[in-house]
Amino acid sequence: KAGVTQTPRYLIKTRGQQVTLSCSPISGHRSVSWYQQTPGQGLQFLFEYFSETQRNKGNFPGRFSGRQFSNSRSEMNVSTLELGDSALYLCASSLAGSITEAFFGQGTRLTVV
Amino acid sequence: AQSVTQPDIHITVSEGASLELRCNYSYGATPYLFWYVQSPGQGLQLLLKYFSGDTLVQGIKGFEAEFKRSQSSFNLRKPSVHWSDAAEYFCAVGLNTGFQKLVFGTGTRLLVSP
Repeated sequence: KAGVTQTPRYLIKTRGQQVTLSCSPISGHRSVSWYQQTPGQGLQFLFEYFSETQRNKGNFPGRFSGRQFSNSRSEMNVSTLELGDSALYLCASSLAGSITEAFFGQGTRLTVV
Repeated sequence: AQSVTQPDIHITVSEGASLELRCNYSYGATPYLFWYVQSPGQGLQLLLKYFSGDTLVQGIKGFEAEFKRSQSSFNLRKPSVHWSDAAEYFCAVGLNTGFQKLVFGTGTRLLVSP
């Protein structure tokens, strides 16, 4: 059974640009959550999608957005990139709609220069 | 607000020695508790979880954790550490709010000395 797949693994972008990250959950999983990991702030919840609906969003500016497709694959987008957006972005896949085990992908390392 | 505290930023343990990583949480309801491990540049791997029932839970790689409601703690233990256990360990609480959200502690970096 394939795990959670995040693409790309590494990205370098320039300030002001936008970026889209992709996450393919484990087959059959309908919940996808996104987290940002930085040395200063640790692991912070960005948002969660279930059945194509965003059910919760963390305390991040509107530049951070996401969506989920009918096959449960999810994308997150960051517009007008800032240096502080440099981070490891982790996607987590869960089977059901409420709290269950979350399986994480390898992450996408975003560097903003 | 919900929070998770891991008081030890770094811990160094000799190979073969026992290990205990501390985790305290603050959450009004019955928590769902998790321990994850992260190797450098990698994602998070679930070690074990507590949802209900027996307060001593067994996980992968020989790890176990004990839920103590009176102390709001969920400490991770391993009787004999191997060099391959060197990594960063995160305690997390899952919020029982009908959707999937984890609140993480700041992590404990484990160093294993020969």
